[in-house]
Amino acid sequence: DAKTTQPNSMESNEEEPVHLPCNHSTISGTDYIHWYRQLPSQGPEYVIHGLTSNVNNRMASLAIAEDRKSSTLILHRATLRDAAVYYCILRDVRAGNTGKLIFGQGTTLQVKP
Amino acid sequence: DAGVTQSPTHLIKTRGQQVTLRCSPKSGHDTVSWYQQALGQGPQFIFQYYEEEERQRGNFPDRFSGHQFPNYSSELNVNALLLGDSALYLCASSRLSGITGELFFGEGSRLTVL
Repeated sequence: DAKTTQPNSMESNEEEPVHLPCNHSTISGTDYIHWYRQLPSQGPEYVIHGLTSNVNNRMASLAIAEDRKSSTLILHRATLRDAAVYYCILRDVRAGNTGKLIFGQGTTLQVKP
Repeated sequence: DAGVTQSPTHLIKTRGQQVTLRCSPKSGHDTVSWYQQALGQGPQFIFQYYEEEERQRGNFPDRFSGHQFPNYSSELNVNALLLGDSALYLCASSRLSGITGELFFGEGSRLTVL
C-alpha cells in the first residue's frame, strides 16, 4: 500500500485559510486521494477525495499536484470546530469500495480564536 | 436518518475475559468494517464484512472475530483479552456498490482492559 507523509501538527487562526499538505511520492495511477478528519471523542469523518483534478465540496477543497505526488487540503475559513486530526489516505480504485483504509498519524490542526 | 451506532460506548474488562461489541450501519449500507484505535494513533483496520462473510482482514490475531447479521448489523468479538487490547473500537459502514466509497464511522466503543 502506498504511503503518505503529513506534518504532525499545524496551527491556524480562526477565520483564516488553512493549507494541510500531504506527500505521496509512491502513488500509483489507480490510487484515489482521500481525506478524513477526526474531531475529539468522535469517529473519523469523510472530508473529500480526488484522483487528478482539483475538487471542491461544502467542507473543503483538494488541490492535487500535476504529478500527483502531493496534495493539499484547503479549509477556506477555519473555525474552532475544524480543530481535529486530518488524515490523508490513498485508496486503490481497483480494490473497489473495500472498507479498508490505511490511516497514518495524520496532522493535528489547532485553531486559535 | 440515523448514522452508524455502536454499543456499548464504554466498558471495562479484565485480562482473559471476552468482549462483544455491536454496530448498526447507516441506513442503506451493506458493508461493515471494524477498526482499532490505540491512544494517540490512527485507526487500524481489523476486518470487513459483506453478505455475512468476512471479506478482508488486517493484521490481527484469530482472537478477533466477527459476525454480520442479515439486517447488516455486526458484532466484533475479542477473546482472551490482553492489556494491549485497550483501545477505541470503531465501526464503519459503506455501500459496496457506492461510487465514492465513502466510509461512515460510528463514535466508537472505548474498551479498557485491566
